[in-house]
Amino acid sequence: GQQVMQIPQYQHVQEGEDFTTYCNSSTTLSNIQWYKQRPGGHPVFLIQLVKSGEVKKQKRLTFQFGEAKKNSSLHITATQTTDVGTYFCAGFGANNLFFGTGTRLTVIP
Amino acid sequence: DGGITQSPKYLFRKEGQNVTLSCEQNLNHDAMYWYRQDPGQGLRLIYYSQIVNDFQKGDIAEGYSVSREKKESFPLTVTSAQKNPTAFYLCASSMWNSFMNTEAFFGQGTRLTVV
Repeated sequence: GQQVMQIPQYQHVQEGEDFTTYCNSSTTLSNIQWYKQRPGGHPVFLIQLVKSGEVKKQKRLTFQFGEAKKNSSLHITATQTTDVGTYFCAGFGANNLFFGTGTRLTVIP
Repeated sequence: DGGITQSPKYLFRKEGQNVTLSCEQNLNHDAMYWYRQDPGQGLRLIYYSQIVNDFQKGDIAEGYSVSREKKESFPLTVTSAQKNPTAFYLCASSMWNSFMNTEAFFGQGTRLTVV
């Protein structure tokens, strides 16, 4: 099936440091979505990117969609303890929604 | 309250038994999905459905079955053929057309344990 790889798998940062997770698809995506899953919770939608080269910001979060629409990144500036969780990218292809492997973020106070 | 509801939250099953996980949504979404999540792992697609009375296998459909008799409901049966069923199961729904999808809404999940 279609695969979306994310790196890193785990990231520990000191509170206040920046964090970036990268998402790479084996195929071109029509759009890409990002989700956050808090420990013990379920994934919650953050944003959707559609256009090649698109950049969107949500407060301290910056999302990018690559020019070739095969990769994406999420950057968090000055992490806070509330940012703890696993961040997933998700692509839409072959009429289904498939998720990346996720990056688990730990923020050390 | 609009949303997607999974039940039960926790489920224990004896080896060799079939068990059915419920997923109901009142968001009028066309597409529904079932994912499996193992500890520290990502979400793997089991089955998905874009329309009533139609569903497709995902990457790990073996040992599972689904039905989509109503738009609102997409139950998942974990059969005795599933060799390692202990996992966290997540149901999701979204609007869908042939070009793209909208955001997916997830249920709270069902944690299945085989005893």
